[in-house]
Amino acid sequence: EAGVVQSPRYKIIEKKQPVAFWCNPISGHNTLYWYRQNLGQGPELLIRYENEEAVDDSQLPKDRFSAERLKGVDSTLKIQPAELGDSAVYLCASSLGQGLYNEQFFGPGTRLTVL
Amino acid sequence: AQKITQTQPGMFVQEKEAVTLDCTYDTSDPSYGLFWYKQPSSGEMIFLIYQGSYDQQNATEGRYSLNFQKARKSANLVISASQLGDSAMYFCAMRGNSGYSTLTFGKGTMLLVSP
Repeated sequence: EAGVVQSPRYKIIEKKQPVAFWCNPISGHNTLYWYRQNLGQGPELLIRYENEEAVDDSQLPKDRFSAERLKGVDSTLKIQPAELGDSAVYLCASSLGQGLYNEQFFGPGTRLTVL
Repeated sequence: AQKITQTQPGMFVQEKEAVTLDCTYDTSDPSYGLFWYKQPSSGEMIFLIYQGSYDQQNATEGRYSLNFQKARKSANLVISASQLGDSAMYFCAMRGNSGYSTLTFGKGTMLLVSP
């Protein structure tokens, strides 16, 4: 069974440029998460989808970040314009449900560097 | 609100020895789940072990066991017979009923296993 796929793995851009990350969750997983992991920190949730609906985006900086999950499968996270402080690893995860124990499977992440 | 504290930035252990990684948590949820993830240098978060707050016994998964002390709000990970491949970052995380599907992570502990 294929795991969570993310692309690109690495991205270097200059500040004020736009950038987009793509995630393909495990087949059949209806819940999809985007996390941001700053250097030396644990991941922090940006947004959670149940199918195509964003049910928790309280931590998403909506002035520059946007996300979509068309047809409830793949998802794209966009930053426009990027700032120096956006340098981090962006992790996508998926799970079958949302109970207390629902293992989240993580992708390899996209490491973003903003110059 | 939920909080995870990992007080050990780094730990060293020799191959074949056991090591304990500390984790304390704070939550007002009566029911919650505790997780440990491993993050090697490749970046992917790998699920290791889960403990439910009402589980009667401490969780075990192969060489991993969770020393759960509910009254002390601690959920330490014990790795027995360390292997070189265990060198990685280890994150403790939790999810409570009120937090729904959101995982709250600690800052992590870097484990280095020496020959």
